[in-house]
Amino acid sequence: EVQLVESGGSLVQPGGSLRLSCAVSGFTFSDFWMAWVRQAPGKGLEWVATIKHDESEKYYVDSVKGRFTISRDNAKNSLYLQLNSLRAEDTAVYYCASLEYGTSPWGPWFDPWGQGTLVTVSS
Amino acid sequence: DIQMTQSPSSLSASVGDRVTITCRASQSIGNYLNWYQQKPRRAPKVLIYGASSLQGGVPSRFSGRRSGTDFTLTISSLQPEDSATYYCQQSYSNPYTFGQGTNLEIK
Repeated sequence: EVQLVESGGSLVQPGGSLRLSCAVSGFTFSDFWMAWVRQAPGKGLEWVATIKHDESEKYYVDSVKGRFTISRDNAKNSLYLQLNSLRAEDTAVYYCASLEYGTSPWGPWFDPWGQGTLVTVSS
Repeated sequence: DIQMTQSPSSLSASVGDRVTITCRASQSIGNYLNWYQQKPRRAPKVLIYGASSLQGGVPSRFSGRRSGTDFTLTISSLQPEDSATYYCQQSYSNPYTFGQGTNLEIK
């Protein structure tokens, strides 16, 4: 069974740091690009960051560049997101997701997703 | 960045209705367009990828089409379990932007 399980979310003060983890099982983690997507309370989805299989390519949404770092450990089947200099507007549920290409020339798409972990930035 | 403009933002329809949600890209993205369904307090799940390919396990009442930079998600005969928020998302280039979402309510 494919599973992505996020952890590490909590209440943190503005300016603080947090490290999110995503433990993956049920597929060959090292074969896939991975991503973090977030959703602020009552709001829509926002892609945050993407990382290639071997960490040679990383991409970030402008609003987190220089503050967040995506990484992975293929030996541990785990994806990470280091969140620094946190702001109130970073409050959200953070989902990890795999980037699937299948046999389509029009990929990728986000599938599967974890259940999410809540980060709350507040004093 | 590519902007994805989704409409309507909310929609109310009856069981059995045909429902269409539209997403317009700010530039050409080919068929790099995906649709997701999200139910309250759940993670999103992909319904359609590559503009018109149905994800495995998704009911055939869901379909997707492209016309230029306009994309549509159609539910041919609305069912009670289709109550959810629907998002489009482009994967043509980073950042992989989402539409604002369409909240679909069953009357």
